[in-house]
Amino acid sequence: AQTVTQSQPEMSVQEAETVTLSCTYDTSESNYYLFWYKQPPSRQMILVIRQEAYKQQNATENRFSVNFQKAAKSFSLKISDSQLGDTAMYFCAFVPSEWYNTNAGKSTFGDGTTLTVKP
Amino acid sequence: DTGVSQDPRHKITKRGQNVTFRCDPISEHNRLYWYRQTLGQGPEFLTYFQNEAQLEKSRLLSDRFSAERPKGSFSTLEIQRTEQGDSAMYLCASSFSGPVDTQYFGPGTRLTVL
Repeated sequence: AQTVTQSQPEMSVQEAETVTLSCTYDTSESNYYLFWYKQPPSRQMILVIRQEAYKQQNATENRFSVNFQKAAKSFSLKISDSQLGDTAMYFCAFVPSEWYNTNAGKSTFGDGTTLTVKP
Repeated sequence: DTGVSQDPRHKITKRGQNVTFRCDPISEHNRLYWYRQTLGQGPEFLTYFQNEAQLEKSRLLSDRFSAERPKGSFSTLEIQRTEQGDSAMYLCASSFSGPVDTQYFGPGTRLTVL
């Protein structure tokens, strides 16, 4: 079974600053994917960024980037130039790889980090 | 709007009543997932379908819960004899099976059991 741990229940950052959200996971799977999702207050979950575990290069999407350390089973999210609209709960998620895996599709989420961007 | 939709958005019911939720996935997606999310927690996997076949069920899904996807398009999640502990947000997500199973979420149905 997989576990995903987000050790920072709440964080805050000043507008235009940079913030890093941490995520660690535990698994015996060798092939998997990792995701960060954003859930604004009373709004739906939105995909922020994804990382294929077999890729060494860290994923980047505009102001969002990850630091993926496979050996340490760590997957942190860096938000640069924080904006007020980034205020949300952020979830880290683990998904086993599609291929040759009966657990494929069974996502495991962390308990989230509430990020507040202050003006 | 071509995103995942869920109906109703909110449901208040009395303990012991049955409730049914509907999810319409993104049209070209063949996989559909149900999750439960309680306040301050991450989503917990309940079950998922590939086309009309239900491939996985979590042990969280007691025998009071049943999910269907009869024609491989929309899905329903029914909870029988609701209990107060069933109060939660029920999330639906869909994806297209492939090398990267990226799931797209609907807005959720918030269930309150009185």
